[in-house]
Amino acid sequence: DVVMTQTPPSLSVAIGQSVSISCKSSQSLVYSDGKTYLHWLLQSPGRSPKRLIYQVSNLGSGVPDRFSGTGSQKDFTLKISRVEAEDLGVYYCAQTTHFPLTFGSGTKLEIK
Amino acid sequence: QVNLLQSGAALVKPGASVKLSCKASGYTFTDYYIHWVKQSHGKSLEWIGYINPNSGYTNYNEKFKSKATLTVDKSTNTAYMELSRLTSEDSATYYCTRGYFDYWGQGVMVTVSS
Repeated sequence: DVVMTQTPPSLSVAIGQSVSISCKSSQSLVYSDGKTYLHWLLQSPGRSPKRLIYQVSNLGSGVPDRFSGTGSQKDFTLKISRVEAEDLGVYYCAQTTHFPLTFGSGTKLEIK
Repeated sequence: QVNLLQSGAALVKPGASVKLSCKASGYTFTDYYIHWVKQSHGKSLEWIGYINPNSGYTNYNEKFKSKATLTVDKSTNTAYMELSRLTSEDSATYYCTRGYFDYWGQGVMVTVSS
């Protein structure tokens, strides 16, 4: 199985600051079609996960452009610019390139 | 608007089975795979498997092959997951989600207890 390693496991930031979350995979996530199926999700407290970013860098519907994703092959980053209070929760990376599909262990974002 | 409405919470006895539902609306049901994901309390997410609503083809995580059975009813735009021979390890919240995880159901908590 592809192991998705997220760091840091948690972080605490003030409103208006920027943060980055890392996700590294144990195998390349480039599929045979040339696309990379790495996605980022946010699970706000008590809620279902919500997709923020799909295929590394594409913003999901209705997601503010404060969120951005970069990376390639096995190394990916989610950046949140100008953190807002509503951004708190657990962020997960997920890969849909290889079966079984797998998720990172999560990064908990707290607001100072 | 796209919506995945899951059945309510379930309290089931050890050794029993439970069938969870996920009713889709707001899009063409057969155009997107439906995945099922497990989240144990306070833990990360585990992919159980997916079903192609158009063909009924399924793909399971090996870990859940003997635990979960995925089906669909195209006449009601509903996906189902049956969990069998339940143990305390199966107590968790289960989500259905569409395609590349773009929409999620609200989740259903399954508690296995005598």
